[in-house]
Amino acid sequence: EDQVTQSPEALRLQEGESSSLNCSYTVSGLRGLFWYRQDPGKGPEFLFTLYSAGEEKEKERLKATLTKKESFLHITAPKPEDSATYLCAVQARGGSQGNLIFGKGTKLSVKP
Amino acid sequence: DAGVTQSPTHLIKTRGQHVTLRCSPISGHKSVSWYQQVLGQGPQFIFQYYEKEERGRGNFPDRFSARQFPNYSSELNVNALLLGDSALYLCASSPLVGWEDTQYFGPGTRLTVL
Repeated sequence: EDQVTQSPEALRLQEGESSSLNCSYTVSGLRGLFWYRQDPGKGPEFLFTLYSAGEEKEKERLKATLTKKESFLHITAPKPEDSATYLCAVQARGGSQGNLIFGKGTKLSVKP
Repeated sequence: DAGVTQSPTHLIKTRGQHVTLRCSPISGHKSVSWYQQVLGQGPQFIFQYYEKEERGRGNFPDRFSARQFPNYSSELNVNALLLGDSALYLCASSPLVGWEDTQYFGPGTRLTVL
């Protein structure tokens, strides 16, 4: 069964304290892995798409990496405005392209 | 450019009623997917429509149905509402052109079933 596990469930950081979020996945052939940011009561906001092991993408203080079994979202020198829930999702080969399988998310809190 | 729009923003219904949720995709996007997000969980796939045809369906009962219109907007219908249907319903659109299949989400409709 295709599934996504994110850890930790919650993470509290001080402003400027760098850390990483983990997304482990098991899927019958990975088509793509997606990272989203979600603020309370709002829809997920797209961050990155990764397609193959070894791929890396960066955006401001965020950097996403991909291996054959997991992905990491590295947050460098976070600011309070980075506080949100970060969702990881995978798209399996052979499945509907519209079918993203999500993890439960990591809730990040950054204190000033 | 306008993003994905959904209506209504909030909705309160009672058990047994039915509900219709609406979604307008990003201009030029032909694929629309629907997701249900229960508090504290990640979104769960319900349906995908592309060019007005159902392309995928998640593990949801037949009380859930959807359709896509010629202008690519979409409706999600839920009949015989249960308390467990209370959730944030998300619509996502995608161009589905070549490798460009990233899904962009709308703000969601918060459904409360009493």
